[in-house]
Amino acid sequence: EKVMTQSPDTLSVSPGERVTLSCRASQSVGTNLAWYQQKPGQAPRLLIYAASVRATGIPDRFSGSGSGTEFTLTISGLQSEDLALYHCHQYNTWPPRENPFGQGTKLDIK
Amino acid sequence: EVKLVESGGRLVQPGGSLRLSCAASGFAFKTFEMNWIRQPPGKGFEWISYISATGETIHYADSVRGRFTIARDNVQNSLSLEMNSLTDDDTAFYFCARFDYGGRRLSSWGHGTLVTVSA
Repeated sequence: EKVMTQSPDTLSVSPGERVTLSCRASQSVGTNLAWYQQKPGQAPRLLIYAASVRATGIPDRFSGSGSGTEFTLTISGLQSEDLALYHCHQYNTWPPRENPFGQGTKLDIK
Repeated sequence: EVKLVESGGRLVQPGGSLRLSCAASGFAFKTFEMNWIRQPPGKGFEWISYISATGETIHYADSVRGRFTIARDNVQNSLSLEMNSLTDDDTAFYFCARFDYGGRRLSSWGHGTLVTVSA
């Protein structure tokens, strides 16, 4: 069973800050991890895959790191448009026996 | 431009049935694996079903297996989800999403359609 846990649930931030979101897997998922951004009324968007590869069109202020069970999404120089819900997703186990998504981290204004 | 547009969500009574659709455009639909993911209001995503590009391989989450049926029409470029025996726990936004080539990350998503199960 691979359970994904994100922390914190909510993070209050200010524009310009460096922000770090965490995702922990209960068992190793290698680097088979993705991050998604979700804004109200919009389709979710793939930000990062293979733990550290930016998806097409994603600004370089977004970066991902980690392997095994510990992963981080960093936003360097937060912009107001980055206020959103962020989800991690393990795709190491297929088909998944447990929900492969974390519960999400919400970024809101401090 | 890749577009995925879900439809069919509405209020339904417990025990009822519903069929969701996802219209795909802007890409070679018949070559991509597809999924349904749902999100209860205020909560995180839950993967619920997958179908291979040809439709030969299908997977379900335990929470929906035996009640939900995924299907695709590679001529009409559409994906569907037939939902039966609905309960309050099935209340959620339902998204269709496409896997990338060569990797099971979800590279494109629709905006979602809301299913509300309530008496």
